[in-house]
Amino acid sequence: NAGVTQTPKFQVLKTGQSMTLQCAQDMNHEYMSWYRQDPGMGLRLIHYSVGAGITDQGEVPNGYNVSRSTTEDFPLRLLSAAPSQTSVYFCASSPETRQGDTEAFFGQGTRLTVV
Amino acid sequence: GENVEQHPSTLSVQEGDSAVIKCTYSDSASNYFPWYKQELGKGPQLIIDIRSNVGEKKDQRIAVTLNKTAKHFSLHITETQPEDSAVYFCAASRGYGNKLVFGAGTILRVKS
Repeated sequence: NAGVTQTPKFQVLKTGQSMTLQCAQDMNHEYMSWYRQDPGMGLRLIHYSVGAGITDQGEVPNGYNVSRSTTEDFPLRLLSAAPSQTSVYFCASSPETRQGDTEAFFGQGTRLTVV
Repeated sequence: GENVEQHPSTLSVQEGDSAVIKCTYSDSASNYFPWYKQELGKGPQLIIDIRSNVGEKKDQRIAVTLNKTAKHFSLHITETQPEDSAVYFCAASRGYGNKLVFGAGTILRVKS
């Protein structure tokens, strides 16, 4: 099992450009989510999905779009990159269980710089 | 919404000593409290978690305690080793969708 795979690992964008961060998991997890990590602020939830075809906004959704057409993939789209979106982005997945939330498995991250 | 505060932001201990990191949360509906360890250049990795129906949980050198009334939970690492040096995050969720709200993190340095 590869777990959660994010591509690319590094990316530099110019202000106004768009791009898609890819995330794929091979554990058949129902839940997937995107976080951004900024210095001194921990991780903040951007968007999440509880299953294929279902997405919702997290704490900091502005400037980002997501879709979930399959269980395995959860891409994050930056519509028009801004310097404020310079950050490290993490994708996570976890199974739906009867007892509620459980371990989230994180990818290795994508370091994005917007100039 | 939920707010999670974490202290201290940095912690230095001698090898073999204990380390304690504390978190408070604001949402009384939160019922799942995981702790993650993040090493440089890697994604966070779960080290221990606790649910609101349990007051304490232990796994070898790591333990977590939860006080629902006071809305705080703590991570205890005993007999620290240099490989424990990392950033540690606490988090909270309401138990569905794994919508985690994270603390700001604690940089733990274990000096040998």
